[in-house]
Parts: sequence; structure tokens; C-alpha cells
Amino acid sequence: GAVVSQHPSRVICKSGTSVKIECRSLDFQATTMFWYRQFPKKSLMLMATSNEGSKATYEQGVEKDKFLINHASLTLSTLTVTSAHPEDSSFYICSATSGGGGSNQPQHFGDGTRLSIL
Amino acid sequence: RKEVEQDPGPFNVPEGATVAFNCTYSNSASQSFFWYRQDCRKEPKLLMSVYSSGNEDGRFTAQLNRASQYISLLIRDSKLSDSATYLCVVVDYKLSFGAGTTVTVRA
Repeated sequence: GAVVSQHPSRVICKSGTSVKIECRSLDFQATTMFWYRQFPKKSLMLMATSNEGSKATYEQGVEKDKFLINHASLTLSTLTVTSAHPEDSSFYICSATSGGGGSNQPQHFGDGTRLSIL
Repeated sequence: RKEVEQDPGPFNVPEGATVAFNCTYSNSASQSFFWYRQDCRKEPKLLMSVYSSGNEDGRFTAQLNRASQYISLLIRDSKLSDSATYLCVVVDYKLSFGAGTTVTVRA
């Protein structure tokens, strides 16, 4: 079945560091990928929709300069947390659909990245 | 009102029991519905889609009630391995996740 790979799975770094997270669709082309954030015992919160070849669409309240998204190819989207601070510590997870785009198809999730900022 | 609401539980049930829970949504124009399973500190995995006519996958039954705007998940003959958090997902122009319902199946 469709597989989405996310890397790295765990990051621990100092405050002020920028962290890049990669999301790859391994056996299908994803024109659209989604980035989520999840706090402990909370639901996934959609941060942004990543569109191949164009600018990402950010949800209200998500700082686009803080969370840089690049969707350079049909199989790769990256999320960069710039100048990360302890409040950015969270579980970040990407998803993609193999259904030719559109969020009304089942999502395939990456393994997630647990980010800890000291 | 939240877009998607779930009873957080936890539902503690013995092996073999039946457990059911609902998820309500606010947007009557929502188009697609899914149940995902999330194990602790892991990514969500698709459990099943929810169709208008209701659908069954083994011990799992999902139903959609558009009039009352909720979906439900029923688990029959619970197994220890069913212990997880179950997330409902409702799609209009974007995905909206419920906060999850925690189910714990005990021996």
C-alpha cells in the first residue's frame, strides 16, 4: 500500500536552532501534502496544506515565517521550524493522499517527528 | 462549538465486550468521514471510511447519521490489541480531527 516516510523521527536541539523535517511519498505522487501538529492527548491540528510547485496554504494562527514549507517535487515536502523555541516542542506529522489530491481521500500518514527544544 | 467533538473516554471494557462511541460534527456540508486509530506516540492509521449506508469491516462497524450529524464506531468482541485512541475525521474543504476516544480493553 501507499507509504509516506517522514524524517527525522526524533529531534532534540537547542533553542534558536532551525529544524527541517522531510515528508516523502514513496510509491505515489502527491500533489498535496498536509502538515499537522499534535500536543499530548490532543487532536491533530492542521498547520498547512503543501502544494507542489506553489505556495503553501496556512491555517489561521500559523505563522508562515516560522513554519516554512517547501513542496519541491511530487514526492517531497519539507517543513522547517525556524529559530525553534521550547514552545515549538511538539509532535509534527505529515500526510498525503494517493487519490490524485484532495482531502476527501484517506490520508496516509508519515511516522511523525517528535521535536524537543531545550 | 468545535468542528468535531468526541467523547474522550476512556472506555475500559473487558475482552469480548462490545464498545461503541460517537463523533459529532458541526458542518452539515461535510463530505467524507473516516475513523483512524492512533496508538500512543505513534502516527494515526486509517481504520475505515464511513459510508452513508453504514459499513462493516470484521469486528468494526461504522455508521453515519447525517440528520443528527454524527458518526459512530462499534467494536464487537473486543481484543486487547484494540486498546488505542480512535480519531474521527470529518472532511469539508479540509480535514478536521476529533480529539480522540480512548479505549482500553482489559484481560
